[in-house]
Amino acid sequence: SSELTQDPTVSVALGQTVRITCQGDSLRTYYASWYQQKPGQAPLLVIYGKNNRPSGIPDRFSGSSSGNTASLTITGAQAEDEADYYCHSRDNSGDRLWVFGGGTKLTVL
Amino acid sequence: QVQLVESGGGVVQPGRSLRLSCAASGFTFSSYGMHWVRQAPGKGLEWVAVIWYDGSNKYYADSVKGRFSISRDNSKNTVYLQMNSLRAEDTAVYYCARELVTAAATETFDIWGQGTMVSVSS
Repeated sequence: SSELTQDPTVSVALGQTVRITCQGDSLRTYYASWYQQKPGQAPLLVIYGKNNRPSGIPDRFSGSSSGNTASLTITGAQAEDEADYYCHSRDNSGDRLWVFGGGTKLTVL
Repeated sequence: QVQLVESGGGVVQPGRSLRLSCAASGFTFSSYGMHWVRQAPGKGLEWVAVIWYDGSNKYYADSVKGRFSISRDNSKNTVYLQMNSLRAEDTAVYYCARELVTAAATETFDIWGQGTMVSVSS
């Protein structure tokens, strides 16, 4: 079965730009979605498709993709962006339909 | 307002059964595929199951295949997860999520419930 690989932890200074990456074979075929999850809360969709933001998501969040790697970029990170971020895509291995990355804990310094 | 509300979680002994419910409101429920996703304590997200908008197709993660069953009642705007032969490793928060398919055929999970906790312990 395919996997999506994320760095477990990433840190960024307040106001700086950070990129969180996600690698997997399925990303050559399918776009990734990105979810933000804060402690005790449900995941929140922040980016989907080529680079789409749901209503209410700040425009400092953006997405991109190249080959087997999808990226979530936060331009001008804010304290409230500290959270876990998960990538997600369809699975092209045939034994399951969807797969999540292991998650990246973002710390805003 | 668009909303999903899960219920039915609790503490259950290994080998027993539990049924979760997810009540939808604020949108045309019968037009959307619905998913269950779980998260074990301190761990990441794991996709569990999906049911097509009309209930015609259902798919499961290998970890629950043969033990869990997803269903829906479009007249009640509710999706269910019947969990049988529960194991300690099924302990998790269970979320239901709506699948959005855009005009560009992009698929994502755009609406999530708040989750319901299932603890499997003797």
